[in-house]
Amino acid sequence: GNSVTQMEGPVTLSEEAFLTINCTYTATGYPSLFWYVQYPGEGLQLLLKATKADDKGSNKGFEATYRKETTSFHLEKGSVQVSDSAVYFCALRVAGGTSYGKLTFGQGTILTVHP
Amino acid sequence: DTEVTQTPKHLVMGMTNKKSLKCEQHMGHRAMYWYKQKAKKPPELMFVYSYEKLSINESVPSRFSPECPNSSLLNLHLHALQPEDSALYLCASSAGDTYSNQPQHFGDGTRLSIL
Repeated sequence: GNSVTQMEGPVTLSEEAFLTINCTYTATGYPSLFWYVQYPGEGLQLLLKATKADDKGSNKGFEATYRKETTSFHLEKGSVQVSDSAVYFCALRVAGGTSYGKLTFGQGTILTVHP
Repeated sequence: DTEVTQTPKHLVMGMTNKKSLKCEQHMGHRAMYWYKQKAKKPPELMFVYSYEKLSINESVPSRFSPECPNSSLLNLHLHALQPEDSALYLCASSAGDTYSNQPQHFGDGTRLSIL
C-alpha cells in the first residue's frame, strides 16, 4: 500500500531560522507528491507539488524536491516568519490502480515560529 | 482565498437534529470529496464523487448521507449524530477523475459540534 512518514513534531524555531521538515514515502506505482499547510482555524491549502522525479516544487519561499532514489520530499525554507506557524502535511497520490487516486497523508508536523 | 466554499463555518447540533453541510466549487472539477478531520490529525476520507456519481464510500455510518445535485455542488446530510462525530468537515475537489494524480483543493471546512 501507500504510506507517508513525516518527522515528528512539534517544531519550534525563531524567526529567520532555516526550516526542514522531513517526508519519506512508500507507494505502489508512480506518485505525485504534495505539501499542504493548515493555518489555525482554516482548511488545507496546497503549498507545492511535484509530479515526477527531480521536480522541484516551490511557493512562498518553500521548496521541496522529488527524490525517487531516496523516496523523499523534504520541505525547506531558508528564513521562516511568525506567519509560517501552522501544521504541515506531506501527501501523495497515485493515478489509477487499487488506490483509486486516494490522497495519502502523513501525520502532520506542527510548526511554531517565535519572534 | 479558497476556491472551494463551504457553509456554514460553524455548526452546533443536538443528537436528534437534522442538518446539512454545503460545498461549492467553480473550477470545473469533476471529482469532489468529503473528509473528516480531528484536531491536529490528517484528514480522513469519507466519500468521493466522480462526475456527480458516488464512487467511494469509506465505510461511513449511514447517519452521514452525501448528495451531489450538480457538478458544482456537494452536500452532506447529517442525522442522529454522536458526540464522537464532532470534528472539522472538509470538502475538496480535483481536476480529472478519481483515478488521476492531480492535487485536491480544499475548502476551509465546517466545524461541527454535537451536544
